Amino acid sequence: GAVVSQHPSWVICKSGTSVKIECRSLDFQATTMFWYRQFPKQSLMLMATSNEGSKATYEQGVEKDKFLINHASLTLSTLTVTSAHPEDSSFYICSANPGVVTSSYNEQFFGPGTRLTVL
Amino acid sequence: AQSVAQPEDQVNVAEGNPLTVKCTYSVSGNPYLFWYVQYPNRGLQFLLKYITGDNLVKGSYGFEAEFNKSQTSFHLKKPSALVSDSALYFCAVRDRYDTGRRALTFGSGTRLQVQP
Repeated sequence: GAVVSQHPSWVICKSGTSVKIECRSLDFQATTMFWYRQFPKQSLMLMATSNEGSKATYEQGVEKDKFLINHASLTLSTLTVTSAHPEDSSFYICSANPGVVTSSYNEQFFGPGTRLTVL
Repeated sequence: AQSVAQPEDQVNVAEGNPLTVKCTYSVSGNPYLFWYVQYPNRGLQFLLKYITGDNLVKGSYGFEAEFNKSQTSFHLKKPSALVSDSALYFCAVRDRYDTGRRALTFGSGTRLQVQP
């Protein structure tokens, strides 16, 4: 159980285009999802916290208009990189937290990541 | 603010020898602590967690970690390393009382290289 999927697993796009990345919790409901960004050989940096039915909370320095997050249902959050540029190339990882208080309440379950390359 | 330090960028160990990957943390309250492993171009896989109870936590693939409150440490250990353990390891922390944010703060990662 507790599987999180991401789609696509990799994407290459031209500069100026927008890219949407989906994060799905397959077998549990996730009231909260998190989006992280990882540069090569570096740690994960939290970009934003996505709460179902409400606006995302962005970390300092993350552009809200650049990285659009939508959490329309308890099993799906999307990250859209708008007008992508080469500096947006990175590995984007989502995680999901079960909303129900269970033994897994304090855990985050991570997706496999999406590698974005902007030419 | 919470933070995690992984002082070693890389740890090298011979197969069959014990391994330790170090982690120290800082939180304002009491911590929830986690270890994750990442293989190339993959997401994070959960290894183990400390929430409460016994300070020695056993996890997946023979890994264990000991929560030491006085030293604010949560070092990852394994009695006998395997070549397949070679990967990038992340320690993460969350403040127990941060019920609103619930995001994890990650360390910088330690690359474990197990030589045959």
